[in-house]
Order: sequence, then structure tokens, then C-alpha cells
Amino acid sequence: SAVISQKPSRDICQRGTSLTIQCQVDSQVTMMFWYRQQPGQSLTLIATANQGSEATYESGFVIDKFPISRPNLTFSTLTVSNMSPEDSSIYLCSVEGRTGGRYEQYFGPGTRLTVT
Amino acid sequence: GESVGLHLPTLSVQEGDNSIINCAYSNSASDYFIWYKQESGKGPQFIIDIRSNMDKRQGQRVTVLLNKTVKHLSLQIAATQPGDSAVYFCAEKRVNAGGTSYGKLTFGQGTILTVHP
Repeated sequence: SAVISQKPSRDICQRGTSLTIQCQVDSQVTMMFWYRQQPGQSLTLIATANQGSEATYESGFVIDKFPISRPNLTFSTLTVSNMSPEDSSIYLCSVEGRTGGRYEQYFGPGTRLTVT
Repeated sequence: GESVGLHLPTLSVQEGDNSIINCAYSNSASDYFIWYKQESGKGPQFIIDIRSNMDKRQGQRVTVLLNKTVKHLSLQIAATQPGDSAVYFCAEKRVNAGGTSYGKLTFGQGTILTVHP
């Protein structure tokens, strides 16, 4: 299994500002993902972070709002830009790893963002 | 930590009872169905998965049942313990023709399980 860390673990930000969340994995992985979990809700995929190319965004999410970097196979960042209170959520980094011939997805602890 | 499951369905059981958590899925083309457990302040943790060509799979104290006719998935936890208290999510995933994963998970609503000593 992969060990994933995220920074910061939580933050309180003012509307209109931006926050960059870091995700670090303890091994090289091909696929990294960013999810959002709004209060009392399930997880929604924001984008797939591709190494060496632009991220692939899901419907409803755009690069200008959620720019993503993936400089290597162990690290990615997600920026939440021009924040509003509606962006208050937990943001989770996820990676896919192979365990005994099966593909499993592992999640980081999440970054709890509150926008005031 | 703050709960993320304030608006999710809830299930309360006594310690030692068996728990059944249900999930309805939408995509008939999904290849895998997966159950995750999310404790307060943590990311989801893999519990068990089942391929779409199976109807039952057992793990340690957990059993997943898949009914493709009605697009229904369930997680059974035997002898539920207080440490099982968490939010449980089902998720769907597709794999490509080569067997490697697309990696994209589609999560269901989630259920809050509370186990009383």
C-alpha cells in the first residue's frame, strides 16, 4: 500500500484568496487523483493529475479554478483559486497502486478547507 | 474531528450484532464495486471489492453481495465492534480492455454506522 501525506491538514481562508494543497506519496505512482468532499456529502472526483501533461478535469471542474501540478511521480498540488464559502470542503488526494495483481486506490488524510 | 456524514443515512447497532449497509449503483458497465470506510478526520480506507461477474465475496468479518438485476450492493459486517463506527461508502470503477484500471471511482452516498457498546 502507498502512504500519502497532505499539507496543510486544515486551513481557514478568506474569500477571494487562493490555497495550494500538497500531496506527497512514499512511492512512485502512475495515477494520482484529487477529490472533493463537501460537508455531509460523498466524494466527487475533481481531476486526474497526469505526470508531464495537463490534468484531466471532470465535468463541472475547470483548470482556472482548480489548477493542478504533477512535476514527478510522487508529488502533486491542487490550488483552489479565488475561493468562496462554497469551496469549503475536504480535499483528498488519491493514488492507484497495484497489490497482488489487483488495482486499489489509496487516499490521503485530506485537507479540511473553510472559506469565510 | 468534525464528522463529514452529517446529512447521510444512519445505521445504529449494538456491539456484537451483524450490520448490513446497502448501496444502489447506477452504471451497469462498472467492472468493480468497492466498499470504503471513512473514520472521522481521515481519508477513505479500502475494505473489500467485488468484480461485476461475481455475486458474493467474503473477507475477514465482512461480506459483500452484488445483485446486478436490481443494481444493488450490500456490505455485511459480522459481530460489529465499536471500532467499526465510521462512514461507509460504496464506489464503482471500470477497467480497460488490458485489465489495467481507469482509476476513476464514482462514489455512492454513504452511510453512517454507529456501534453502541
